[in-house]
Amino acid sequence: GQNIDQPTEMTATEGAIVQINCTYQTSGFNGLFWYQQHAGEAPTFLSYNVLDGLEEKGRFSSFLSRSKGYSYLLLKELQMKDSASYLCAVKDSNYQLIWGAGTKLIIKP
Amino acid sequence: DAGITQSPRHKVTETGTPVTLRCHQTENHRYMYWYRQDPGHGLRLIHYSYGVKDTDKGEVSDGYSVSRSKTEDFLLTLESATSSQTSVYFCAISPGTGEADTQYFGPGTRLTVL
Repeated sequence: GQNIDQPTEMTATEGAIVQINCTYQTSGFNGLFWYQQHAGEAPTFLSYNVLDGLEEKGRFSSFLSRSKGYSYLLLKELQMKDSASYLCAVKDSNYQLIWGAGTKLIIKP
Repeated sequence: DAGITQSPRHKVTETGTPVTLRCHQTENHRYMYWYRQDPGHGLRLIHYSYGVKDTDKGEVSDGYSVSRSKTEDFLLTLESATSSQTSVYFCAISPGTGEADTQYFGPGTRLTVL
């Protein structure tokens, strides 16, 4: 079967750095996506990786290792507004997105 | 933000009643999707559409049907709602299904089946 694993919940301090991991086992790989979802709202697109390596976008970076079936989202200079769930999703061989259950990130002052 | 609206935003209904949720887009994207989101689960695909009158089943399609008579509208119908269909339903759109084609989500509909 297909599987995406993420930690259920993480806590970090305002101003710090946090890394959210995602491991996947899917039938085929056509890219990995990270979305942010604030409570009661829709998921919003953060980043996309299809090649190995690090993609940086402002305070957020996303890393991919296809050989290890592993990705992480790195959030720097954490702000209170970063409190949200972070969803990892992999596009499989049928070009359908397979979703992890999400990581709830709690930011403390 | 992509122009996607969903209606209604909240609905409470009783077991056995039919329910229709509507998704409307102004982006002229070819692909439209219906997902459900439940605690402890990732988003799960119910049905998707790849054009007018062209639809296909997703992972959790039992008990649901869809229709797409216009590019901009994608309807999800629960023929006879059950309590297990209590969930938050999201519509998403994308221009295609290529590697980099990103899905953009509507605001969601919270459905409660009593």
